[in-house]
Amino acid sequence: KQEVTQIPAALSVPEGENLVLNCSFTDSAIYNLQWFRQDPGKGLTSLLLIQSSQREQTSGRLNASLDKSSGRSTLYIAASQPGDSATYLCAVRPITGFQKLVFGTGTRLLVSP
Amino acid sequence: DTEVTQTPKHLVMGMTNKKSLKCEQHMGHRAMYWYKQKAKKPPELMFVYSYEKLSINESVPSRFSPECPNSSLLNLHLHALQPEDSALYLCASSPPGGPGSYNEQFFGPGTRLTVL
Repeated sequence: KQEVTQIPAALSVPEGENLVLNCSFTDSAIYNLQWFRQDPGKGLTSLLLIQSSQREQTSGRLNASLDKSSGRSTLYIAASQPGDSATYLCAVRPITGFQKLVFGTGTRLLVSP
Repeated sequence: DTEVTQTPKHLVMGMTNKKSLKCEQHMGHRAMYWYKQKAKKPPELMFVYSYEKLSINESVPSRFSPECPNSSLLNLHLHALQPEDSALYLCASSPPGGPGSYNEQFFGPGTRLTVL
């Protein structure tokens, strides 16, 4: 059974720092991995989608990498801003049961001015 | 149009009420999903519709009844809910999936449901 873990569970940093969020999954048989952002009480916003054949994706200050063989993905946020404060979720789409995303437990990020 | 919309944003209902949640997308996606999310937890999948047919029911109690009238619209009918059903209900959509397909999932803003 696919399990997805995110470390750390919470992170507090001052504005301007570069930071890394980690996501690990137990089964490497995946189609893709997706990173989301969720503000309190709101829906999920898709940040980046990495296909299983890709190593990384970039969007603005965000860079996500994927090492499928080791079951790991990282989300790198450059020059963090208070507006980046949110919960970040990673989710994998397994090859078996591909209609179901398997979510990680999330990392709550607080960026202080 | 690149968004998923949900109505209402907030809903308060009693245990004997009947209400419905609505979700709409106009991206041409043929897979639509209902999720339930409790505070500080990741979303939990409830139902998946593929080409307007129910393809996954994650053993959801019958007091939740999904409906997909057309390819753009997804409803969730609620009846005789319990206080523990209070949660954020999220709708999502994606291009049709299958072996070899790589589909990004897009979420709506959610409906905050409170059952008294």
